[in-house]
Parts: sequence; C-alpha cells; structure tokens
Amino acid sequence: EVQLVESGGGLVQPGRSLKLSCAASGFTFSNYYMAWVRQAPKKGLEWVATISTSGSRTYYPDSVKGRFTISRDNAKSSLYLQMNSLKSEDTATYYCARGKGPNYWGQGVMVTVSS
Amino acid sequence: DVVLTQTPSILSATIGQSVSISCRSSQSLLDSDGNTYLYWFLQRPGQSPQRLIYLVSNLGSGVPNRFSGSGSGTDFTLKISGVEAEDLGVYYCMQATHAPYTFGAGTKLELK
Repeated sequence: EVQLVESGGGLVQPGRSLKLSCAASGFTFSNYYMAWVRQAPKKGLEWVATISTSGSRTYYPDSVKGRFTISRDNAKSSLYLQMNSLKSEDTATYYCARGKGPNYWGQGVMVTVSS
Repeated sequence: DVVLTQTPSILSATIGQSVSISCRSSQSLLDSDGNTYLYWFLQRPGQSPQRLIYLVSNLGSGVPNRFSGSGSGTDFTLKISGVEAEDLGVYYCMQATHAPYTFGAGTKLELK
C-alpha cells in the first residue's frame, strides 16, 4: 500500500525557517517525480514544488522560488521541503504527493506563520 | 503562467443527475511530447485530494466509471453521469504541461 506521511509542520515566526519531511513507502520511491502542494485555510490548491526522480531537476512557482527548496533522499525514500524567509501567506496545509499529476497524496501537515 | 478557469464555481445537483464542469486554459496544454497534461481531482470535506482523471480522459485506478474526462487544446470537461452522495466536494483541474504547474480555482459540488 502506498503511503506518504508528512511531518515537521508547526507554528513559526515570519522570517524564520522550517523543514518539512515526507516518508514514502509501498512503492519504488526513486522511480517517481515527487511534489509539494499546499492549501491555505479555506482556499484552493497551489502547486509549490516538483522534483525529478534523481533530484537533478526542480521546479517552483514564483511565489516560493528562491525561498523554498525541494530535495529527496532516494536511499531513505524521503522527500523534503526547506522553507526559508517564511511569510504569513505561506500559512497552509502542505501535502506531499507522488507524480507529475499526483495520484497519491499524504494527509497533509499544517504550517502556520505568525508572530 | 497558465491560468485555468473553472466553471461553474458552485454546482448544485440532485442524486442521479448528470453534471459537467468546464476547465479552460489560457494556453494550449498539448506538450511537445504529444501528451496533454491535464488532470482532475476531487477533494472531499476534510480529506486530501484524490486524482480522478489523468491525461485528459484516463480514469484513475479505482475511480468509478460514472466519471469521464474529455477535451483538447484549451477546453476540457469533467462529466459525472449520475451524481452519488460520495461525489460531493470540490473539484479541481490541474495542468502540468507548462511550469509553473497550476490548478483551477475549484468547483464545489453540493446537493440541491
């Protein structure tokens, strides 16, 4: 059974950093593109980052480019999102997801950016 | 960036009714590799999104065949042939042809 379990969320002050992790199981992690998608409270879905199978290619929207870094450790079947210079508008539930048009999603982890 | 415009934003339906949701793109979603990376998702209240349709018209694993997707280029449609209670929630289209990938604003399906 495919499982994606996010961790690392919480309350953080504006301007600070936070790193999210996603533990994957039930499939060959290294064979799939992986992504982070977020959803602000009562809002729609926003794509945050995608990483290629080897990690050599990464993609971001302008809203997070230069502040967020997606990475992966294929040996540990783990996906990460390093978030720096956090802003209040980054407050959201962050989902780890498998694939370019994700067919598996984690349960999400909440990140709240507030002083 | 590619803008996906979903209509309607709210859809009221009775059980058994057939409904359609439109997703229009500001650019063609046909990729140079010949694929069209257009997807449909359903997010039920309090749950993570679930993929229904991939590459415009392919039914996801375990997805009931009352769901169907169609379209090409810039115009796409999700159809539900006979709404059931478990279909209630918010539907999103998403494109992954052009970076940055983008989602539509969502269509909320509710009971009439």
